[in-house]
Amino acid sequence: EVVLTQAPATLSVSPGERATLSCRASQSVSSNLAWYQQKSGQAPRLLIYDASTRATGIPARFSGSGSGTEFTLTISRLQSEDFAVYYCQQYNNWPPITFGQGTRLEI
Amino acid sequence: QVQLVESGGGVVQPGGSLRLSCVASGFTFSDYGIHWVRQAPGKGLEWVAFVRSDGDNKFYGNSVKGRFSISRDNSKNTLYLQMSSLRPEDTAVYYCATDYRLHLDYWGQGTLVTVSS
Repeated sequence: EVVLTQAPATLSVSPGERATLSCRASQSVSSNLAWYQQKSGQAPRLLIYDASTRATGIPARFSGSGSGTEFTLTISRLQSEDFAVYYCQQYNNWPPITFGQGTRLEI
Repeated sequence: QVQLVESGGGVVQPGGSLRLSCVASGFTFSDYGIHWVRQAPGKGLEWVAFVRSDGDNKFYGNSVKGRFSISRDNSKNTLYLQMSSLRPEDTAVYYCATDYRLHLDYWGQGTLVTVSS
């Protein structure tokens, strides 16, 4: 089973700043990695798939990069609605599909 | 627009059974694989199961294998999760989500399952 480790667990930033979230895989997952955003009390929302492709309707301030075992989600110019929990998910070696433990982005 | 509505959650005793449903609309249900994902209170996301569009190929997470069964009725645009031998650690919000090349692009709002005596 591929273990995804996200860092940091909590990231404190200010609106207008840039946030950089990390996801590390225990073995190579090629580019088969997605990122999700989850706001309190809501279902997750797909942001990025194939490591760097934005999902439909996702603003350009969200970008993903990386391959193999190291991945990054970058949110430039943070807006108030971006404060949420972010999860990475791999779909290269499955089953099972696995998620990271999440990074909480807070003000 | 794509809509997924889960139902069937509730309180069940340890060792009991429950069947969840997920009704889909706004897309051609029979063309898409569908996943179940769960989230324990205050915890992260855990993939539970996946069924391909034709319903013949099914896959399960290690923690539910042998206890849960995923199925679908394409004539009713409905996905099911039959859960048996339930344990307290199965307590979670259960989401259904559409599959696009093994990432999950549309999600329902979830249904809460509580396993407690």
